Amino acid sequence: EPEVTQTPSHQVTQMGQEVILRCVPISNHLYFYWYRQILGQKVEFLVSFYNNEISEKSEIFDDQFSVERPDGSNFTLKIRSTKLEDSAMYFCASSDWLSSTDTQYFGPGTRLTVL
Amino acid sequence: GESVGLHLPTLSVQEGDNSIINCAYSNSASDYFIWYKQESGKGPQFIIDIRSNMDKRQGQRVTVLLNKTVKHLSLQIAATQPGDSAVYFCAEPGGSQGNLIFGKGTKLSVKP
Repeated sequence: EPEVTQTPSHQVTQMGQEVILRCVPISNHLYFYWYRQILGQKVEFLVSFYNNEISEKSEIFDDQFSVERPDGSNFTLKIRSTKLEDSAMYFCASSDWLSSTDTQYFGPGTRLTVL
Repeated sequence: GESVGLHLPTLSVQEGDNSIINCAYSNSASDYFIWYKQESGKGPQFIIDIRSNMDKRQGQRVTVLLNKTVKHLSLQIAATQPGDSAVYFCAEPGGSQGNLIFGKGTKLSVKP
C-alpha cells in the first residue's frame, strides 16, 4: 500500500539554525500539506500546496517558513531560523484531489528538537 | 475559539467492551468530518469519515454517528482490542483549500 514517507525521523538543531524537513508524498497525489503537533497538543495546519504554489497557509506559517517541491517526488518544509517554540512533530500529508470528501494521508512525522 | 473539540481527554475501557469517543464541533456549515487514530510516535491514520447528509456510517468494528442538531460527532469502536489504544482525533475541513482542523484528541487505553 502506498504511503507518505518523511525524513529524518528526528532532527536536533541549535536555535537560529536552518532546517529542512523532507517528505515524499504518495506518487499520484497532487495536493500536499504540512502540519505540526507540539507535544501533547492537537495537530495544527501549517500550509497546503498545489500546482507548485501555496494554496493556503495558517498564521503559524510566517516568513521563517517556506515550502518547495524541488522535483517530481519530494516536498520540503524549510525553517530559516529555528526558535525554541518550533520544537514539535511535523507531519506531511497528501491527497488525491481537492474536495471536502477526500482523504489526507499522513506520514510518520519528523520530530524537531530546537536547543 | 476552536471549531472542533473533544469532551473527554482520556478514556479507559476493558478489552472486549465497546468504546465511545465524542466530539463537538461549532461550525454548522461543515459538511464533512473525519476520525483519525494516532498511535504513539506515528502520524494520524484515517479511520472513517462521514458527510453531513448522513447520520451514521459503519466501517469494520467502527461506527461514526453525526447529530447535526447538537453539532455532535461520535466514534464507536466495537469489541475494543489492545491494538485500539491510541489517541483519537476528530477533524473537519477548515477552509477551501483542504486544510483540516483537528480536535484536541482523546486518549483511549484498553485494559486486558
